[in-house]
Amino acid sequence: KAGVTQTPRYLIKTRGQQVTLSCSPISGHRSVSWYQQTPGQGLQFLFEYFSETQRNKGNFPGRFSGRQFSNSRSEMNVSTLELGDSALYLCATRQDPSTGELFFGEGSRLTVL
Amino acid sequence: GENVEQHPSTLSVQEGDSAVIKCTYSDSASNYFPWYKQELGKRPQLIIDIRSNVGEKKDQRIAVTLNKTAKHFSLHITETQPEDSAVYFCAASRPGGGADGLTFGKGTHLIIQP
Repeated sequence: KAGVTQTPRYLIKTRGQQVTLSCSPISGHRSVSWYQQTPGQGLQFLFEYFSETQRNKGNFPGRFSGRQFSNSRSEMNVSTLELGDSALYLCATRQDPSTGELFFGEGSRLTVL
Repeated sequence: GENVEQHPSTLSVQEGDSAVIKCTYSDSASNYFPWYKQELGKRPQLIIDIRSNVGEKKDQRIAVTLNKTAKHFSLHITETQPEDSAVYFCAASRPGGGADGLTFGKGTHLIIQP
């Protein structure tokens, strides 16, 4: 079956702009988590959605937001982009929050100039 | 919230030798401890995980040990091979994911020297 699909794979924005990233989970997976990956900081948790509800959120400013649709697809949005937002944004899905294994997408690489 | 510390940040071993990566966690309520491997330019993938009711788990050349009292867990890779070269991440979470989701360590870059 198809894996986790993230779009776009690469994008370049300028400071102050906003960006929307999309994640389509594996069929049957209703939990979608988002992580920011930067060199030296590893994988930092942004938020997790399950059944269209945000069930937890990491330590990121309110400029980072997300949502989940009825088909489990998820989007995350970053407004008023800063240089420090340049990173690889990874989406990870699982059947539900009690299921252990996360399946990651290939990520969306955001560069802010 | 949960805090996961991972050491070392870089580990270089000779092909055929063993490699050990160590992690500590802060939240005593955490009960799920997975390890992910990320090859260069690829997505992280689960290689092994352990729950707090088990002290050790093995899968061929890899094993994970957990010490709940000391709140640390380790990944052991024996007979290392070139394809083991990658960044390895440990992680911890509470039952059902908890408020912080899955908290990852900062990663260990494992280099296998031929």
